[in-house]
Amino acid sequence: QKEVEQNSGPLSVPEGAIASLNCTYSDRGSQSFFWYRQYSGKSPELIMSIYSNGDKEDGRFTAQLNKASQYVSLLIRDSQPSDSATYLCAGLSNSNSGYALNFGKGTSLLVTP
Amino acid sequence: SAVISQKPSRDICQRGTSLTIQCQVDSQVTMMFWYRQQPGQSLTLIATANQGSEATYESGFVIDKFPISRPNLTFSTLTVSNMSPEDSSIYLCSVDLTSSEQFFGPGTRLTVL
Repeated sequence: QKEVEQNSGPLSVPEGAIASLNCTYSDRGSQSFFWYRQYSGKSPELIMSIYSNGDKEDGRFTAQLNKASQYVSLLIRDSQPSDSATYLCAGLSNSNSGYALNFGKGTSLLVTP
Repeated sequence: SAVISQKPSRDICQRGTSLTIQCQVDSQVTMMFWYRQQPGQSLTLIATANQGSEATYESGFVIDKFPISRPNLTFSTLTVSNMSPEDSSIYLCSVDLTSSEQFFGPGTRLTVL
């Protein structure tokens, strides 16, 4: 079973703080990982992808990947109330189709003014 | 990214009936995917639709229940057949543009009574 695990939250952080979202995965064959943001009633929006160990920064977002520990994280600096959403972690794994995104259940983030 | 549209955006259907969901992309793409997001759950891949070939279904999903068409590189349909209340869900199409990054359409919210 190829699983992606996330703490469901909610994770509450004050405006301006750093939000840290974590994800673990079971499939050692997964090489690519993605973070999606999903606002209530909306479809997922891709915010970060990461393919190699280490950090990848894009604006206020930093994704971190540690393949040895099978761990992926997303840091959001200077958190804003507009960042309040569910964040989905996904790993790319082999499937009947060739490959498929396996999604975690998501972490709900609440940024309080 | 790409502009992806889905029709209908939502529908309420009676059990035993079928609904066809359309997905249109503004550029040609090789791979299109259909996902289901049940209430309070994460996304589950139903099948991958490649133009010119039969769709490939993931474990737990069958063609008789979820027939898919992919007549060209910008369009696909998913039919939910012989619906039951358990089929109430959000159905999303996505496309793979580069480096396995998938972008999602706005989704179709289906309620089966």
